[in-house]
Amino acid sequence: NAGVTQTPKFQVLKTGQSMTLQCAQDMNHEYMSWYRQDPGMGLRLIHYSVGAGITDQGEVPNGYNVSRSTTEDFPLRLLSAAPSQTSVYFCASSYSKSTGYTFGSGTRLTVV
Amino acid sequence: GIQVEQSPPDLILQEGANSTLRCNFSDSVNNLQWFHQNPWGQLINLFYIPSGTKQNGRLSATTVATERYSLLYISSSQTTDSGVYFCAVSNSGYALNFGKGTSLLVTP
Repeated sequence: NAGVTQTPKFQVLKTGQSMTLQCAQDMNHEYMSWYRQDPGMGLRLIHYSVGAGITDQGEVPNGYNVSRSTTEDFPLRLLSAAPSQTSVYFCASSYSKSTGYTFGSGTRLTVV
Repeated sequence: GIQVEQSPPDLILQEGANSTLRCNFSDSVNNLQWFHQNPWGQLINLFYIPSGTKQNGRLSATTVATERYSLLYISSSQTTDSGVYFCAVSNSGYALNFGKGTSLLVTP
């Protein structure tokens, strides 16, 4: 039981490049979400999914795409990286809306 | 969205001291969680507590939903308690709004 696994742990991109941040969970959790954490701003919700095939936007969705083709995986795609997307990205999952979240260890992304 | 305010923003304690962290929120919620982010950046869920009181070892939490606040108590603090404590809430059950956190430093 690995919990929530995020890859990669670190990434440097050039402006305009695209990439996918991977998130996988092995706990059969229905709910998954992506947050970004910036200094002094706490965590802000990017996108979330309440089950396979269902996604919705959070507070800061611009510049990011998601899909949920399986219960286990919830990748986050950066379409054209910008320096403003430099941040630490966290993936989280929960069994239901009445249970606590489990977070992955994060991906530190730098866009130059 | 729901506004979440945490206080104090920073706290320094000596080992063995007790502390109370507060979380105020602007609307009714059906999901409230407390998290600890350790100095290595890992986020650990401490409590799922939309109402009532829970205890886990030296930590306990109380949420008074009707008055829109929650408290996290840390007793007999240890250096390993250092880090940032976040309160997060939702009224949909799913999309959590996070406060800006309380940064705690426990000194030997």
